[in-house]
Amino acid sequence: AQKVTQAQTEISVVEKEDVTLDCVYETRDTTYYLFWYKQPPSGELVFLIRRNSFDEQNEISGRYSWNFQKSTSSFNFTITASQVVDSAVYFCALASNYKLTFGKGTLLTVNP
Amino acid sequence: DTGVSQDPRHKITKRGQNVTFRCDPISEHNRLYWYRQTLGQGPEFLTYFQNEAQLEKSRLLSDRFSAERPKGSFSTLEIQRTEQGDSAMYLCASSKLIQGVPSGNTIYFGEGSWLTVV
Repeated sequence: AQKVTQAQTEISVVEKEDVTLDCVYETRDTTYYLFWYKQPPSGELVFLIRRNSFDEQNEISGRYSWNFQKSTSSFNFTITASQVVDSAVYFCALASNYKLTFGKGTLLTVNP
Repeated sequence: DTGVSQDPRHKITKRGQNVTFRCDPISEHNRLYWYRQTLGQGPEFLTYFQNEAQLEKSRLLSDRFSAERPKGSFSTLEIQRTEQGDSAMYLCASSKLIQGVPSGNTIYFGEGSWLTVV
């Protein structure tokens, strides 16, 4: 069975602070993919990143960076110099075959 | 806009009524998914189509739920005899099957259809 745990239910930071969202996953599959999605109040799930299980290179995209560590089954997401527009619920998800298993999400509030 | 579109965005219905949601996937995406999301939870898988074939249905999908994708393009999700427990956001998503990448296709979501059963 697949499982994704996002231990942080809510995080509140002040603008320009760095913030890291944690994600830990469980799977018995050797080939799998990990995703992060952003869900603003409008409801749409916005794709942020996809990472396969064979690629442990960290990735940076602007203010966003991701740290994939297979040894600890973690796929953490860091926002550098956070902005008010980053306020949303962030979901980590695991894909095996075609099905996504989501964590419960982390509500990030960035205060001005 | 060429993203996944869903209609209606919001629906309020009385218990016992039937409701239908429509999803138009991204053009040329042959895979289509329905997920359900309740407050404070992540989305949960309901069902999945590859072209017009419905290949898997979750146990969450009771007999009152039916999904179709008749021509392999748009899809509908119908809920019959709605119950208050059906209140949730119903999310549609699509992806393009790429040979050799069994689970790695990026899955794009629509804005969701909010259902409130009163």
